[in-house]
Amino acid sequence: AQTVTQSQPEMSVQEAETVTLSCTYDTSESDYYLFWYKQPPSRQMILVIRQEAYKQQNATENRFSVNFQKAAKSFSLKISDSQLGDAAMYFCAYRSANTGNQFYFGTGTSLTVIP
Amino acid sequence: NAGVTQTPKFQVLKTGQSMTLQCAQDMNHNSMYWYRQDPGMGLRLIYYSASEGTTDKGEVPNGYNVSRLNKREFSLRLESAAPSQTSVYFCASRTQGAPNSPLHFGNGTRLTVT
Repeated sequence: AQTVTQSQPEMSVQEAETVTLSCTYDTSESDYYLFWYKQPPSRQMILVIRQEAYKQQNATENRFSVNFQKAAKSFSLKISDSQLGDAAMYFCAYRSANTGNQFYFGTGTSLTVIP
Repeated sequence: NAGVTQTPKFQVLKTGQSMTLQCAQDMNHNSMYWYRQDPGMGLRLIYYSASEGTTDKGEVPNGYNVSRLNKREFSLRLESAAPSQTSVYFCASRTQGAPNSPLHFGNGTRLTVT
């Protein structure tokens, strides 16, 4: 099984500031997909952003962007202009392009946004 | 759009009781999954079904069985519940039509086994 590591169980950020959540993964493969999911207190799992390993350009979705470092096997999530609604658990996930169907999740980072 | 629908939302069982968690998706997705979420452990895959008629074990299949009833429905059964199965259970689905397609999740079932 692949290992996905989120080394920050908890993070906090001031409203309107920027925060970066870390994610590393262990793989010997070159072709894979990476995802960030948000889980607010409602428990719903919401896709935030995704990255294809073959793409050098970092993915961006509005205030959310990633720093994908393939050689370092690192996939961090940057949230700019943090809002109160960003408070949630954030999960990083990995899926192989070859062995395909399973998604492997990290243990999550709980983000608090301070007004 | 309903997306992925799980029932029930909450359930309390006594040790040894059985129950089935239901999941249905209306997105015409091929693949369906069952995960459990425990504090500090993220989401762990119990079983998945790549397509109608197939099922495969994930990381933590012991104590569970699944049925892919048709393309829409994928149920998870606990034959004899144990306190270690207290968890939040998520059903998810995914299309195989795009290689970068994400998982779409239901709203989860909180199960307590006493």
